[in-house]
Amino acid sequence: KAGVTQTPRYLIKTRGQQVTLSCSPISGHRSVSWYQQTPGQGLQFLFEYFSETQRNKGNFPGRFSGRQFSNSRSEMNVSTLELGDSALYLCASSLARTGGLDNEQFFGPGTRLTVL
Amino acid sequence: AQTVTQSQPEMSVQEAETVTLSCTYDTSESDYYLFWYKQPPSRQMILVIRQEAYKQQNATENRFSVNFQKAAKSFSLKISDSQLGDAAMYFCACSMYSGGGADGLTFGKGTHLIIQP
Repeated sequence: KAGVTQTPRYLIKTRGQQVTLSCSPISGHRSVSWYQQTPGQGLQFLFEYFSETQRNKGNFPGRFSGRQFSNSRSEMNVSTLELGDSALYLCASSLARTGGLDNEQFFGPGTRLTVL
Repeated sequence: AQTVTQSQPEMSVQEAETVTLSCTYDTSESDYYLFWYKQPPSRQMILVIRQEAYKQQNATENRFSVNFQKAAKSFSLKISDSQLGDAAMYFCACSMYSGGGADGLTFGKGTHLIIQP
């Protein structure tokens, strides 16, 4: 079974631009979660999507948004990029909602975003 | 809000020896799951071991085992017979379920494990 895939793997943008990251979960997984990893703040939960609906959101500004499609693929969008948005963005999928019995999350390789 | 604390930024161990990584957490929920993830230099997060809070028996996965002390809110990871391939960042994480849903994984800051040959 193929793992979680994320595209692109690397991205360079300039301040003020917007960016869209993509995540394809493991086949059959319905929950997709996004995390931001930075040296200073560590790993922080962004949001979770399940059945095309955002179920939970972390403490991030409205510039960070996402969506999930009917095939469970998810996209994350960051608008008006700031230097501090430079990070590794990780996507994770699981069979069921985070916190449920089938909540083991499988992570993708991440997208490294650099904002200049 | 829940918190996860890893007090050891870096640990070093000789190959073939045993090392224990510490983790404490804070939550008011009674239903939660605890995890240890490994992140090697490739940055791919890999689940090492998981523990359901309602299970008293400590989880084990081959050379990896946990010491889960629910009252103390402690969840340490023991790696036996350390191997060079164990070198990585190790993250302790908690998923807390409050009936209406969960808040995603809350991670500790990580422990960088160095294996000395």
